[in-house]
This record gives sequence, structure tokens and C-alpha cells, in this order.
Amino acid sequence: AAGVIQSPRHLIKEKRETATLKCYPIPRHDTVYWYQQGPGQDPQFLISFYEKMQSDKGSIPDRFSAQQFSDYHSELNMSSLELGDSALYFCASSPGLDRYEQYFGPGTRLTVT
Amino acid sequence: GENVEQHPSTLSVQEGDSAVIKCTYSDSASNYFPWYKQELGKRPQLIIDIRSNVGEKKDQRIAVTLNKTAKHFSLHITETQPEDSAVYFCAASKRGGSYIPTFGRGTSLIVHP
Repeated sequence: AAGVIQSPRHLIKEKRETATLKCYPIPRHDTVYWYQQGPGQDPQFLISFYEKMQSDKGSIPDRFSAQQFSDYHSELNMSSLELGDSALYFCASSPGLDRYEQYFGPGTRLTVT
Repeated sequence: GENVEQHPSTLSVQEGDSAVIKCTYSDSASNYFPWYKQELGKRPQLIIDIRSNVGEKKDQRIAVTLNKTAKHFSLHITETQPEDSAVYFCAASKRGGSYIPTFGRGTSLIVHP
């Protein structure tokens, strides 16, 4: 079965640079979630989208922005990167806004040096 | 906002023993409680979930119980195997626009052969 795809899988950036992470949800899933997971921590919800509109906003820094496109893929744009942004970034998709279950992608490991 | 407490933070058992992880939540509006297993550097994988209208759910060696009145839920793993070793996260979700989970801090389960 098709799963959530994230790219790139690994990314190394320097402080103050920008990064773009991409997420391709499971086919026919219209809801996308983004999470940030620091070392040894639990996943923290950043933002979610449904039908190309922002649905909910969590602890996403103002330096980050995201959107969902017409093909339902989503991109997380991160600017003015800081050392503390180094983390695993997961995307998850769901078959609907009113559906409980979320399916996580493999994650993007971002390292900021 | 929601607050999820998870205990213990580390659990060490012998192969074949049972393991129990407990979580409490604060927001009575939460109505969906998933459990995730995460191996080092990998994605969180949903292993079992329970909705607020159910008190118990079982899937082979894994079971989850929910006490809505006391606002706590537990994961039970019987006949543990070394491959069960991982970090387990509980979460409590409620509907905003989408279902946003608040995760516990995680339990590192170590199963000794």
C-alpha cells in the first residue's frame, strides 16, 4: 500500500539559511499534518491543512510557513534557521478532517550547523 | 490546553513478561486516544487506538483501557518480545478543525531476551 512520502530524507543547512520540506500524502488523503520532534522528545504539532486550507495551528514559529497544493502535497518552508530547529520533521496524512487516524511519513532529519 | 502525563519514562522487562504504560489527560473534550510505537530515527507507528465511547480494546498481545471518569488510559503488552523494544507514545486528541493529538513524553520499553 502507498505510504506518505517525504523529501528530502536528510537535510543539512547552516544558520540563517532557508529550507523547504515536502510531503506527499497517501492517495485520496486530503488532510495533512506537520510535526517537529527534537531529540528524545515527543512530536510537537506544528500545523495542519484540509483541502488546501489551513485547518489548525500549533507551535509553529513565525519563521516557518506551510501550504497545501492542489494535488494535496504540502510544503513546510523554514527561514532564518536556528540551531534549535535541528529535529526530525514528520508529515502525517488522514483520509478526512473528521477522521481520527493519522499515518506518518518517514520524516526529514534537518541538521542546522 | 491539553496536558498528557505518561509513566513510566523507562520500563525494563524480561522477555515473556507483561508491560503496562499509563497515561492521564486533562481535557475532558479529548475523545480519541492513539498509541504509537517509535523505533530510533523512525516514524511513529500507530499500534492501537481507542475512542471515548469504548472502555477497552484488544489486538492480539496489545490491549488498551480507558477510564473517562478518571481521565486515564493504559497500554498493556503481554508476552513481550525483544522486538517490542522501542519508545511508546500515548496521545489524547480532540477535534479542532482537524484531530490534533497531544503526546505524552514517551516510555522507553526495553525487553531483555
